Amino acid sequence: LAKTTQPISMDSYEGQEVNITCSHNNIATNDYITWYQQFPSQGPRFIIQGYKTKVTNEVASLFIPADRKSSTLSLPRVSLSDTAVYYCLVGGPNSGGYQKVTFGTGTKLQVIP
Amino acid sequence: EAQVTQNPRYLITVTGKKLTVTCSQNMNHEYMSWYRQDPGLGLRQIYYSMNVEVTDKGDVPEGYKVSRKEKRNFPLILESPSPNQTSLYFCASRAAGTGVHNEQFFGPGTRLTVL
Repeated sequence: LAKTTQPISMDSYEGQEVNITCSHNNIATNDYITWYQQFPSQGPRFIIQGYKTKVTNEVASLFIPADRKSSTLSLPRVSLSDTAVYYCLVGGPNSGGYQKVTFGTGTKLQVIP
Repeated sequence: EAQVTQNPRYLITVTGKKLTVTCSQNMNHEYMSWYRQDPGLGLRQIYYSMNVEVTDKGDVPEGYKVSRKEKRNFPLILESPSPNQTSLYFCASRAAGTGVHNEQFFGPGTRLTVL
């Protein structure tokens, strides 16, 4: 399974755009990149997933460069309710499948009023 | 409502007293998994199951057992709990062959304290 590296924590003011970068130098050809959000004492919640270039949904955007060795989760105009831990996961059918999952320690985002 | 349920939500027990944490999903998912979460260590996978009667170890399986006799249920068994198993436990499920890989649905968590 590809190892991921994320910043431990980040602070941002309300209304700003937040970008959280994840490094995954050993990503395999068939691996997807997935981001989860977790609020205190709750289970993680799927945010977005991508394979290459850019993916956007109603919550976030995911930017993946051509070499796919990193990815950036972009949260537009954050609010206090976006304060959470964000996890970057990498996995696919040829890297242990989607069975064995490694979440890592994530990035703790604190949104400041 | 599609959901993953866990019971109990909170449990305080003593060392050595066998316990089971139940997990059930109503989404007909093939894959189910158990995680534990400890401060500073993130989420670590304990066991997972690809389907009925198919289970395998995750990263931290020591001291735990699981079974998958029915598709919807995936109980976590602690035969002889110890204080180092005090943790927040999450069960998750996902469909196999989904178009969105790795999207797991998590239960609300079970906070276990072993004295």
